[in-house]
Parts: sequence; structure tokens; C-alpha cells
Amino acid sequence: EAGVAQSPRYKIIEKRQSVAFWCNPISGHATLYWYQQILGQGPKLLIQFQNNGVVDDSQLPKDRFSAERLKGVDSTLKIQPAKLEDSAVYLCASSQSDEQYFGPGTRLTVT
Amino acid sequence: AQTVTQSQPEMSVQEAETVTLSCTYDTSENNYYLFWYKQPPSRQMILVIRQEAYKQQNATENRFSVNFQKAAKSFSLKISDSQLGDTAMYFCAFIPGYNNNDMRFGAGTRLTVKP
Repeated sequence: EAGVAQSPRYKIIEKRQSVAFWCNPISGHATLYWYQQILGQGPKLLIQFQNNGVVDDSQLPKDRFSAERLKGVDSTLKIQPAKLEDSAVYLCASSQSDEQYFGPGTRLTVT
Repeated sequence: AQTVTQSQPEMSVQEAETVTLSCTYDTSENNYYLFWYKQPPSRQMILVIRQEAYKQQNATENRFSVNFQKAAKSFSLKISDSQLGDTAMYFCAFIPGYNNNDMRFGAGTRLTVKP
């Protein structure tokens, strides 16, 4: 069984630029999550999708972050414009029940 | 607030010895899930062990076991016969409720297994 795929693995951008991350969950997993993991901290949930609907986006900074999962499978997370404090690893996870399976993450560096 | 606290930022253990990582959580829910995740230097998060709050028996997965104290809201992870490959960040995580997938993570404990 293929795991959660994410791309790119690494991205370096300047502040005020835009960036997008892509996630392909495990086949059949209805729930998809995006987490932000700042160095030295645990992951923090940004947004949760159930199929193509948003379940929870209460911690998503909506003035600059957006996410979509149009067909209920793949998802993209966008940051526009990026700030220095957005430097982090962005983890995607998917689940069928309570157990979440994580992708390798995208390490974003904003300079 | 539903929070997870890991009070040990870093720990080390000699190969083949036993180490215990601490975790406490705060919730008013009676039914919930608890997890320990491992994040090696490659950064892919892997589930180590899970515990349903309604189960009194402590979960065990090979060399990994937990000590779940519901009244004390404590969920420690014991790693027996530590191996070099156990070196990683360990995160305690918690889902507050059976119909709620809002997983909360602790800040993590960096474990180093020394040869």
C-alpha cells in the first residue's frame, strides 16, 4: 500500500513570495489533514478535510493560507504572501478512522 | 483547554537499556484516544503505539509499552532493550473524543540511544 505522498520535499522562497504544496493521501482515506511543524515543536493542525469539505480550519491563518481538496483526493496548501515565521515543515496526513498516516513533509524556508 | 505536555525535551539511554518517556494531557472528555508517534531524523512520522481510553489494559507493541493512568491523565511510553534505530523525536498525541479527529501533539522528546 502506497503511503501519503507530498511534494516538493524542500522549498526555499523569499518573503512575500507565494508557494504551494501538494499532497496525495492513501487511497480510500476520506480524511486529510495539513499540519505545520515549526522546528522544536509538535505538529499543529492547520486544516482538516472530510472528502472535499472542510471540517476544521480554525487554526489556518486565512489572510495568507488557503487549502483545497476539490475532488476529495489530492490537496494543495498555498501560502501567499509568505512571511519569515512560515518557515516550518508542512505535514500532510490522511486517515480512515482515528489513526493518521503521515507523509514525509515539505520543509519550507522563507528568507 | 485540551493540551498535551511532554516535560522531557531530551533524553538519552544506553543501547539495550530501558527508558520511559513521560506525557500528561488535559481533557474533560471520558472517551478519547492516545498515541505515541516516532519521528526519525528523516522526519516521516510513524505511529508507535495507541491506547483507547476505555481500555484499562496497557497497550504493548513488541519492545514498546505504555503506562496509562486515566485518573492521573498520564500516558508514558516505555522502550525496552533500546536500539540505535530508536533514536528519534517522540511525540505524545491525543484525540479528544471518538468522533473527533482533532489530534493534539505535545512538544516532543528527543531520544538518543547511545552505543
